[in-house]
Amino acid sequence: KAGVTQTPRYLIKTRGQQVTLSCSPISGHRSVSWYQQTPGQGLQFLFEYFSETQRNKGNFPGRFSGRQFSNSRSEMNVSTLELGDSALYLCASSLDGGGASDTQYFGPGTRLTVL
Amino acid sequence: KQEVTQIPAALSVPEGENLVLNCSFTDSAIYNLQWFRQDPGKGLTSLLLIQSSQREQTSGRLNASLDKSSGRSTLYIAASQPGDSATYLCAVPNAGNNRKLIWGLGTSLAVNP
Repeated sequence: KAGVTQTPRYLIKTRGQQVTLSCSPISGHRSVSWYQQTPGQGLQFLFEYFSETQRNKGNFPGRFSGRQFSNSRSEMNVSTLELGDSALYLCASSLDGGGASDTQYFGPGTRLTVL
Repeated sequence: KQEVTQIPAALSVPEGENLVLNCSFTDSAIYNLQWFRQDPGKGLTSLLLIQSSQREQTSGRLNASLDKSSGRSTLYIAASQPGDSATYLCAVPNAGNNRKLIWGLGTSLAVNP
């Protein structure tokens, strides 16, 4: 079974631009979560999608948005990029994201650098 | 508000040693606790998931324990190998929300040949 895939793996953008990251979950998984990882803050939850609906949201500004398609693939978009958005963006999928035994499986991440 | 702390932040040991990594959390009302491994520049690999009703989980040389009442978990690695070198992170669902993971900053482990 293929794992979680994320594209692109690396991105370099300049301040003020926008970016879209893509995540394909493991087949059969309906929950997709997004995390931002930085050296200072560690991993922080961005949002979670389930059946094309945003089910949970972290404490990030509205510049960060996402969506999920009917095949469970998800995209996240960051508009008006700032230097502080430079980070590793990780996507994780799970069967339903809610059970006590529901493990999250992570993709390799997208490394975003904002210049 | 749930907070997760991992001690130590970094650890360097000679090959073959048994070692313990610590994770503490502030709100004991958790559904589960997960331990992950992250290799440099890569995503995370789930190592062990302990449900709130369980006391420990084992996988090969890894053993994770959970004490909800004291808000602690430990990851025990037996007979460490250089291939175990990585950052180990623990995560718990946010209090009242099983789907939003709260993370420690991790323990960076180096196992020296």
